[in-house]
Amino acid sequence: EAGVAQSPRYKIIEKRQSVAFWCNPISGHATLYWYQQILGQGPKLLIQFQNNGVVDDSQLPKDRFSAERLKGVDSTLKIQPAKLEDSAVYLCASSLEVTGELFFGEGSRLTVL
Amino acid sequence: KQEVTQIPAALSVPEGENLVLNCSFTDSAIYNLQWFRQDPGKGLTSLLLIQSSQREQTSGRLNASLDKSSGRSTLYIAASQPGDSATYLCAVNDYIPTFGRGTSLIVHP
Repeated sequence: EAGVAQSPRYKIIEKRQSVAFWCNPISGHATLYWYQQILGQGPKLLIQFQNNGVVDDSQLPKDRFSAERLKGVDSTLKIQPAKLEDSAVYLCASSLEVTGELFFGEGSRLTVL
Repeated sequence: KQEVTQIPAALSVPEGENLVLNCSFTDSAIYNLQWFRQDPGKGLTSLLLIQSSQREQTSGRLNASLDKSSGRSTLYIAASQPGDSATYLCAVNDYIPTFGRGTSLIVHP
């Protein structure tokens, strides 16, 4: 069974530029999560989808971050414009249902210069 | 809002020791708790999932316990090996999975 796929693995951009990350969850998983992990810290939830609806996005900086899951399968997380403090690993996870076991992708490492 | 604390933040032990990592949480109305391992530059690998109705789960040298009423979980690692060196994270799921900051473990030969 294929795992959670993420791309790109690495991205370096200048501040004020934009970037997009893509995630394809495990087939059949209804719930998809985007987490931000800053070096030395635990993952922080940015947004949680159930199918193509948002369950929680209370910690998503909506002035610069956006995320969508239009067909209830894959998802895109966008940052525009990026700030230095956005340098982090962006982790995507999926689960069969909201209370199910989480499975993570390898993450996308962002460096903002 | 759920708050998750992991103690200790870092641990360095000689090979062969038995270890206990701690995870505490503030709201006991949870569905499950999951322990992960994270190697440098990698994603999170699931180790054990404990449902709220369970007291413990075991996988090989790993044993995780859950005391929901006191808001605590422990991960017990038996006979530690250098390959166990990694960061261990717990996630508490009360509908929105919340992570602790992790315990960084080094097992030296």
